Order: sequence, then C-alpha cells, then structure tokens
Amino acid sequence: QKEVEQNSGPLSVPEGAIASLNCTYSDRGSQSFFWYRQYSGKSPELIMSIYSNGDKEDGRFTAQLNKASQYVSLLIRDSQPSDSATYLCAVSFGNEKLTFGTGTRLTIIP
Amino acid sequence: GAGVSQSPRYKVAKRGQDVALRCDPISGHVSLFWYQQALGQGPEFLTYFQNEAQLDKSGLPSDRFFAERPEGSVSTLKIQRTQQEDSAVYLCASSFLAGGADTQYFGPGTRLTVL
Repeated sequence: QKEVEQNSGPLSVPEGAIASLNCTYSDRGSQSFFWYRQYSGKSPELIMSIYSNGDKEDGRFTAQLNKASQYVSLLIRDSQPSDSATYLCAVSFGNEKLTFGTGTRLTIIP
Repeated sequence: GAGVSQSPRYKVAKRGQDVALRCDPISGHVSLFWYQQALGQGPEFLTYFQNEAQLDKSGLPSDRFFAERPEGSVSTLKIQRTQQEDSAVYLCASSFLAGGADTQYFGPGTRLTVL
C-alpha cells in the first residue's frame, strides 16, 4: 500500500522563526506533491504544489522535493500566529487521487 | 458559485438510517473526488469521477457506500444502513482537469455523526 508519512507533532515554533515540516512517501513513481493547510474544523486549503526536484518558493513558503530520498518538506519563514494549523502532505502516485499523511499540527508561539 | 459547496454541513443519523450527502463542484470542473476524514487523521480517498463516469471507487469501504454524478456536475454520496464507524467528515473536492497533477479544491465538508 502506498503511504505518506508525517510526524503528527505537535510542533511548536516561536513567532518569527522558521517552521520546518517534513514528509516521506513510499513510491518512487510518485509524480505530484502538495502541501495543504487545515485549520481546526475547516477544510484543507492548498498552500504549495511541487512536481520536480529542488525548491519552490511562494512568499514565506518554500517547498523542497528530493525524489531520490522520497522526501518533501515545507518551510515557513517568519512564522506568524495565523500559521498555527495542521499541515497535510499529499501525494499523487501517478493517478488522480491524493494520498494524504496524517498531518503535522503546528503551533506558533507569540 | 465561487467554490465547492456541500450540504448538509452537519448530519446526525441513528444507526441503520440511510443518508445522502451532496456536493456542488466548481462550475466547469471535470474531476470530482470524495474523501473521508476521521478525527485526527488525514483525508482518505473514497471515489473519483471524471465528468459523469466513476473511474475509481477503490476507496469505498463497503457496499453500503454509493456515489453518483449523473450529469457530470452535482454529486451525491449515499451511505445505507449507517454504522457508528461511518462517523467522520466527508469532504468533496473538484479540479479543472483530469489527472492527479491539477489542484484539488475542497468543499467545507459534511460532518456525519452516527448515534
């Protein structure tokens, strides 16, 4: 069974610091990688998508993909209290559906 | 509308009742997905439609679960003879294109509680 693994946390980071979220996946054939943010009681919201090795930056967010190591990460710079949420890593294993990790709960401490 | 909508937002059912959950995807979106999210877990795939065709139903947990999208737009997820283990948030997502690379936009979900 194809799997996506994340540390469930909670991860606590001081305001203004860098939050680093990690995800590993089981299938080398995976093609598409996504980070979703989910506030408590709300639906997932796409933060970043990444498809090729390397870094992709969007504002305070940077996604990093290493297909050889089957590893994808999300960095949040200058963390804000509004970044406190659960971050879901999702992978498309070459088909339409997304396989999600269990999510990492992030708390930004003012 | 501007986003994916789902109704009802909350549903309480007695064990053994049938329920129907509705999803209105973003207009023009080809692909529609249903996911089930248990408390403290990530969403788990249930089924996928490309227009009106149900191309993947491998995630449906039992034959009590049935989904349809007869006109390639609105979709309904039906659960027959609900059980307590069916209690979860049911999320609908849509994407403009077919294939896994396109962004999936999620609706607000329906929280189902089976007593």
